[in-house]
Amino acid sequence: DAGITQSPRHKVTETGTPVTLRCHQTENHRYMYWYRQDPGHGLRLIHYSYGVKDTDKGEVSDGYSVSRSKTEDFLLTLESATSSQTSVYFCAASGGDYGYTFGSGTRLTVV
Amino acid sequence: TQLLEQSPQFLSIQEGENLTVYCNSSSVFSSLQWYRQEPGEGPVLLVTVVTGGEVKKLKRLTFQFGDARKDSSLHITAAQPGDTGLYLCAGSQGGSEKLVFGKGTKLTVNP
Repeated sequence: DAGITQSPRHKVTETGTPVTLRCHQTENHRYMYWYRQDPGHGLRLIHYSYGVKDTDKGEVSDGYSVSRSKTEDFLLTLESATSSQTSVYFCAASGGDYGYTFGSGTRLTVV
Repeated sequence: TQLLEQSPQFLSIQEGENLTVYCNSSSVFSSLQWYRQEPGEGPVLLVTVVTGGEVKKLKRLTFQFGDARKDSSLHITAAQPGDTGLYLCAGSQGGSEKLVFGKGTKLTVNP
């Protein structure tokens, strides 16, 4: 039961380069989310989607964009990576029953 | 301002001991969830509580939602090393699908 698959699991990139993180779900859930997790800050919502082509900003959306062209895929793009975007990124999905299913995360390092 | 405050931030106990972790807010939540996260993995849903005063038991774990739906607690009886992890509470407001997360309690159970 793959549930939520994130790729890549680890990435090192240089400052100023674009980066795209991928999230794929097999649950057919309507809602999908991107969070970042940092020491001292916990999980913070970057962007979320409530359907195909329907997305909205979370509390830390600056420097990030998202796209959802299919129910199962939710992409997070860092247009020009900065060191402050070094973090662990989690994708999650929910079907409206209050519970989230999370992926295993992507550890991104911007050097 | 952190909407959900978790305490303690860190907890290290011996196998067999009991413990309680807390999740507090000045805001009302329509539902509260508890997740456990292990290193290198995403959070996994343990329970959802939706009714003020509700108590749910999951083997040795007991979850309570405050009468006013502003706080919750997680009690673990006879802790085991397998209970080690980061415990996160998360709440939704006004029926929204979006969750706000606390910063977590890092629990270590020593053999």
